[in-house]
This record gives sequence, structure tokens and C-alpha cells, in this order.
Amino acid sequence: AIRMTQSPSSFSASTGDRVTITCRASQGISSYLAWYQQKPGKAPKLLIYAASTLQSGVPSRFSGSGSGTDFTLTISCLQSEDFATYYCQQYYSYPTWTFGQGTKVEIK
Amino acid sequence: QVTLRESGPALVKPTQTLTLTCTFSGFSLSTSGMCVSWIRQPPGKALEWLALIDWDDDKYYSTSLKTRLTISKDTSKNQVVLTMTNMDPVDTATYYCALLSGSCYSSPFDPWGQGTLVTVSS
Repeated sequence: AIRMTQSPSSFSASTGDRVTITCRASQGISSYLAWYQQKPGKAPKLLIYAASTLQSGVPSRFSGSGSGTDFTLTISCLQSEDFATYYCQQYYSYPTWTFGQGTKVEIK
Repeated sequence: QVTLRESGPALVKPTQTLTLTCTFSGFSLSTSGMCVSWIRQPPGKALEWLALIDWDDDKYYSTSLKTRLTISKDTSKNQVVLTMTNMDPVDTATYYCALLSGSCYSSPFDPWGQGTLVTVSS
């Protein structure tokens, strides 16, 4: 199975910061990568798919890049509502889908 | 508007069988390209994909849980059912169902149900 490794596992940031989260796949997955945001007690919400396509309704401060094995999620100007846990997920190797371990963004 | 909602017992005993139902609206699981999946998340831990059923009734399971899982659908009721046998405390988790649409084998999970917390304890 393809392993997805996110870094860092958690970090603290301030409102207004530019933040970047990295996701690495154990083998090439082309651009079959999604990013989700999850807030406590809530279901994950799709932010980005196909590595860089913003889901409808998601603010433009979120962006994604990468292909193959290395991907990034960037939040250009962190807002208070962005403090959450973020997961990457590959959907290249169906019928087995795998998620990263998550990156928690906390308030500094 | 597409919505999904999970339902099932909040508490099950070890060795029992868990049955969860995902009731959805806004789409038909008989439409080509539609799939519904189950995903779980132990408290404070990461997401784990469990099973998927597609519009053509093809079914796929997590390799590690394959022997314990069964997924099925009732198109007339707009429901997908997941059963997991021989429950253990390590299976304590929030269980989500989610839609994959379009060409579901090259699509992300969107949207998700709200999730249902299942605790395994005697």
C-alpha cells in the first residue's frame, strides 16, 4: 500500500502567517492527491483535489502544488478559522485509498 | 444538495458485530460513476479507509480488515450498510461515510457524513 507521510505533525502559527504543510507519497501518485481540513468534532472537509484544484467555496488563500511523490498545501495568510488538522490523501492506487497522519495547526 | 448521515449503535461489546447505515440524499447510487465509502477515525488519530461500494455493486475492502467487513447497498432506500464482525476495543472510532462521484475511482471523498462514534467496551 502507498504510504503518505506528512510533515510536520503539528506546529504553532499566528494569524496572518504563511504556512506550508508537506505530504510525501511512498511511490508516485501523479496528481491524485487531495487535502482535507478537519476541525474538532467535525467531519473532514475537502479543500483541494488533483493536487492543486481548489474545491468550490474554499477561500483562495489555500493552494496546493506538487506531483509524483511530493506535495504541499499552503495557506497564504492564516485566519483564525484555519486552525485545524489537515490531512492529505492519495486516490491513485484504487481500490486502496490512504491518508497521511495529519498536521495540526495550532495558535501561537 | 448531497447529504449523507451515519447511524448505528453508540456502544457495542467486544466480539459483537457492528452494523452501520449510511443514509444519503441528492444522488442515486445506481448512477454510473457513483461510489460510497466508509472511513473511520479512532479518537485523536488519523483517518483510515475501510470499504467502498460502487454503482455496479462492486465492493472493495481494506486489506487489513477484509475478513471482518461487509458492505452492501439498498438503492431503493438510498442506503449503504457496513458490518464489522468481532469488534474489539481498538475498533473504537468515529465512523464516516463519504461520496465519491464522477469517475469515482479517480475522485476524492466529498462530501462526508457527520460521523458516528462507536465505542467498544464491555
